[in-house]
Amino acid sequence: QIQLVQSGPELKKPGESVKISCKASGYTFTDYAMHWVKQAPGKGLKWMGWINTYTGKPTYADDFKGRFVFSLEASASTANLQISNLKNEDTATYFCARMYTTDYYYVGWFAYWGQGTLVTVSS
Amino acid sequence: DVQMTQSPSYLAASPGESVSISCKASKSINTYLAWYQEKPGKTNKLLIYSGSTLQSGTPSRFSGSGSGTDFTLTIRSLEPEDFAVYYCQQHNEYPLTFGSGTKLEIK
Repeated sequence: QIQLVQSGPELKKPGESVKISCKASGYTFTDYAMHWVKQAPGKGLKWMGWINTYTGKPTYADDFKGRFVFSLEASASTANLQISNLKNEDTATYFCARMYTTDYYYVGWFAYWGQGTLVTVSS
Repeated sequence: DVQMTQSPSYLAASPGESVSISCKASKSINTYLAWYQEKPGKTNKLLIYSGSTLQSGTPSRFSGSGSGTDFTLTIRSLEPEDFAVYYCQQHNEYPLTFGSGTKLEIK
C-alpha cells in the first residue's frame, strides 16, 4: 500500500540547519509531486510548496522562500526538506503529502500524508 | 491568498448526536473544498473532496455540502472514533490554504 514515512523528531538550536526526509513506497515515486505542509504547535496547517519529482524543480509558497529547500533522492524514492538558519518560529511538525493525481500542476487535495516530523528549535 | 475561516474551534458532543462544522472562504472557491480528519498517532485522513464527494472508505455518516464561499461538514450519529480534529482545505487555486481546525470532543 502507499506509504509516506518521515524521519524522526529533531531538536536544534537557533541558527542551525535541519534536513527532514520523506520516503515513499507503494507507487512510482517520480509519477507524483510531493508537497510539504507545516503545522506550528496549536496551529492549523500551512502549505509550503511542492517539488516535481521527475525534474526536481521546487515551487515554494511565498512564506517559504529563502531558508527552505526541497530536494530529492529519487533513486531512494525520498523527498527532503532542509531548513537553514533555524528560528524559534520554525518549531513545528512538518508533513509531506501526495495528491491522488499524476498531474503535477493540479490544484488538488491530499490523498496521502506522512506521519509528520516534529522540529523543535530551542536554545 | 484565499483565507479559510473554520468554526467552531471546539465542539463537544455525545456519541449518537449529529454535528456540523463550518468553513468559509474569503472568495468563491466554487465547490473545491476538501475535509480532513486528524487523530493522534495516525496520518491525516482525507474524508471529502470537491465539496461533497466522499473519499473511498469514508463512512456515509459524513457528508459535505456548500459552494461558493460557505461549506459545511456534517457528521450524523457520531461514533467514538469520530472524535478528532477536522480541517478544511480549498483546492481552487494556489497557494492551497487550510482552515484553522475544529476539535471535536466527547461531551
